[in-house]
Amino acid sequence: KQEVTQIPAALSVPEGENLVLNCSFTDSAIYNLQWFRQDPGKGLTSLLLIQSSQREQTSGRLNASLDKSSGRSTLYIAASQPGDSATYLCAVRFRGGSARQLTFGSGTQLTVLP
Amino acid sequence: GAVVSQHPSWVICKSGTSVKIECRSLDFQATTMFWYRQFPKQSLMLMATSNEGSKATYEQGVEKDKFLINHASLTLSTLTVTSAHPEDSSFYICSAHGPRGYEQYFGPGTRLTVT
Repeated sequence: KQEVTQIPAALSVPEGENLVLNCSFTDSAIYNLQWFRQDPGKGLTSLLLIQSSQREQTSGRLNASLDKSSGRSTLYIAASQPGDSATYLCAVRFRGGSARQLTFGSGTQLTVLP
Repeated sequence: GAVVSQHPSWVICKSGTSVKIECRSLDFQATTMFWYRQFPKQSLMLMATSNEGSKATYEQGVEKDKFLINHASLTLSTLTVTSAHPEDSSFYICSAHGPRGYEQYFGPGTRLTVT
């Protein structure tokens, strides 16, 4: 079964810290992996998308890496700010099923304390 | 670009009634849209894939007669929750593939509360 897992479920850090969110997936045959941010009661904002042929993507203070062989991705947030507080979701588009379907992890709820 | 909207953003209805949620791609055409449901503090669960001009594909365990999906045009898909019950109360989110085809863009979600 193709699954996506995120650890930890919740994380609380003081402002200014660098942090890493983890995502693992059970099948290395993927099209791409996408990281999203979700604020309470809101929809999803796409942060970074990594194609299967890529190793990492960067956007501002965010850096996402992909290691297909080990089934892992990390989202690195540098110099965290209270405004980064949100739930971060990892989603994978696996090969073999619907080519357009995303499978989501359960998310990591991040709180950055001022 | 690649904006997806949903209407309404929240709705309260009485048990036994039906409610329709709209999902629109504002600046691009979407032959395929997706409907997700999210319960509090849980992740998104795919309910169905909506295909323009054809029947939707439902995930296992999702009642197609209860959750009616109509993708009548390249910019609009609707989800109708029929004979709603309190356990249908949830956050419903739609998405569509953007112009490049490999990235999904999500709507802001609709909060449904059934009393």
